[in-house]
Amino acid sequence: DAGVTQSPTHLIKTRGQQVTLRCSPKSGHDTVSWYQQALGQGPQFIFQYYEEEERQRGNFPDRFSGHQFPNYSSELNVNALLLGDSALYLCASSLQGHEQYFGPGTRLTVT
Amino acid sequence: AQTVTQSQPEMSVQEAETVTLSCTYDTSESDYYLFWYKQPPSRQMILVIRQEAYKQQNATENRFSVNFQKAAKSFSLKISDSQLGDAAMYFCAYRGFQGAQKLVFGQGTRLTINP
Repeated sequence: DAGVTQSPTHLIKTRGQQVTLRCSPKSGHDTVSWYQQALGQGPQFIFQYYEEEERQRGNFPDRFSGHQFPNYSSELNVNALLLGDSALYLCASSLQGHEQYFGPGTRLTVT
Repeated sequence: AQTVTQSQPEMSVQEAETVTLSCTYDTSESDYYLFWYKQPPSRQMILVIRQEAYKQQNATENRFSVNFQKAAKSFSLKISDSQLGDAAMYFCAYRGFQGAQKLVFGQGTRLTINP
């Protein structure tokens, strides 16, 4: 049983560009949450998707947007990248109301 | 808003000994969950142990146990018989009982195991 997968593993972008990160949830899970983890910090909640709708959003600007597909996979999009967006982006999947299982993350570097 | 505080940025312990990591939190909710996650250099966040606030009994998972003090809003993790593979960042996290149930994390404690 494959766990949570994320792609790409890492990428480098230039300030002002746009990026899309992808997440496939663990089999049987219907909810995807995204977190941003800056170097040396704990993860910060970005948003959560359930039934293709954004259920809750953390304190992140509108440059951060997402989508959930009918197969429960999800994308995180970040527009107009800033140097401060450099971080590890973690995806976590769960069955609504149950434990969150994390993927290995995508390391984004903005230069 | 809920907050989670880990006051120990780094801890070290000799292999086979016991170490305790501290965590305090703040919330106005009466029902919630608390977690300890481990993040090794591979970056993947791994659930170590969880505690439901409505349960008085402290959770245990093999060598890992917690000391949950609800009134004091304290949630410490004890690792017994420390092993080299326990070396990692440890994060304490809070999750509400209702709603979207986002995880709120502390700043983390880096645990080093000395052979």
